Amino acid sequence: GESVGLHLPTLSVQEGDNSIINCAYSNSASDYFIWYKQESGKGPQFIIDIRSNMDKRQGQRVTVLLNKTVKHLSLQIAATQPGDSAVYFCAEKGKSGSNYQLIWGAGTKLIIKP
Amino acid sequence: KAGVTQTPRYLIKTRGQQVTLSCSPISGHRSVSWYQQTPGQGLQFLFEYFSETQRNKGNFPGRFSGRQFSNSRSEMNVSTLELGDSALYLCASSLGGTADSGANVLTFGAGSRLTVL
Repeated sequence: GESVGLHLPTLSVQEGDNSIINCAYSNSASDYFIWYKQESGKGPQFIIDIRSNMDKRQGQRVTVLLNKTVKHLSLQIAATQPGDSAVYFCAEKGKSGSNYQLIWGAGTKLIIKP
Repeated sequence: KAGVTQTPRYLIKTRGQQVTLSCSPISGHRSVSWYQQTPGQGLQFLFEYFSETQRNKGNFPGRFSGRQFSNSRSEMNVSTLELGDSALYLCASSLGGTADSGANVLTFGAGSRLTVL
């Protein structure tokens, strides 16, 4: 079936550097994508979302880029801080039968090196 | 305002038993979704409730069931527990104004960690 996947299961970044987390999706009809961050012992927390009529959206220190041509999504975190250490999930809105569901990627663990 | 509250946070059961997990959504949120999270399978969608009705369902066996009350609080039940049911069960709420649940930002609780021995 359709799936969302991540290129790197673990990413180590020096504190202060920028982080880029990548995500590939397979359903070209998907029109909504979302990033969540999950810290240890907590539930996932919304970071940013983007619709398919956009190719870039910025938040506070985060930017999501969408390349529909190659079905690729990325999350950029500027000036990475220790508090950014977490597992990051991308998800796409996909159809299951007659209903829509969020289809989640496996997650990328971001490790911040001091 | 208060976030999504899940109880209990941790529980241990044995095979064959049943378990009920509870979720109190954010005030004003009418949609509650349940997810199972395991290291090997990631986040797997169980079901979504909106206005006391199951609006969407994932690919889980009938042992997994849920319900939603008139105050939007939700419970999920797993009967005849198996070792593979050990997981973190996450509840998420959203405004859920349309049937297109994927378009609504989910606010997650901290989860209920179930261990089946």
